[in-house]
Amino acid sequence: QAVLTQPSSLSASPGASASLTCTLPGGINVGSYKIYWYQQKPGSPPQYLLRYKSDSDKQQGSGVPSRFSGSKDASANAGILLISGLQSEDEADYYCMIWHSSAVVFGGGTKLTVL
Amino acid sequence: QVQLVQSGAEVKKPGASVKVSCKASGYTFSSYGISWVRQAPGQGLEWVGWISTYIGGTKYAQKFQGRVTMTTDTSTSTAYMELRSLRSDDTAVYYCARIIADGFDFWGQGTMVAVSS
Repeated sequence: QAVLTQPSSLSASPGASASLTCTLPGGINVGSYKIYWYQQKPGSPPQYLLRYKSDSDKQQGSGVPSRFSGSKDASANAGILLISGLQSEDEADYYCMIWHSSAVVFGGGTKLTVL
Repeated sequence: QVQLVQSGAEVKKPGASVKVSCKASGYTFSSYGISWVRQAPGQGLEWVGWISTYIGGTKYAQKFQGRVTMTTDTSTSTAYMELRSLRSDDTAVYYCARIIADGFDFWGQGTMVAVSS
């Protein structure tokens, strides 16, 4: 069973950028996968942010601001969600997801604090 | 507009079964699969499985195989998830979500299932 590793928490200041990582286990090459990102605020269901496989294969969720973007760090075997121009409303939990062997795997989530 | 409206909260005893519904509107139901995801209190997201609303095929997470059944009623645009032999660690909010291009673009509001003796 694949396990996606996300830092449990991250803090950043308003106006700054935050880079949230999602590390795939050894033996699973991040380059082969589409990484999906979701945002969840307390008491609400997750919301789809974006999908990223490569610069030529990516999709932004409907209505999602362009300051949310995806990328990969092949050397770290990780997907990255970059949030630029942080706003207080970005404070939330963020989850990554992949499809692996016809099944869905979620990361454990990162709690982003904007302060 | 696309909406997924789930059934209300449930309280069940250990060993019982629960069936959660997810009624879709605002799009052609059979054009998109439905996935089920759960979230235990204070925990992360856990995938339960998915169902093709077009052909009814299913794929369940290994952890739930043998205990879960997903079905659809295309006449009412409703998806169902039944979980049997409930345990206390099944206590969670259960979400349905529409699958588009492998991502989950719209989610239901969630259904709290509490398992307690």
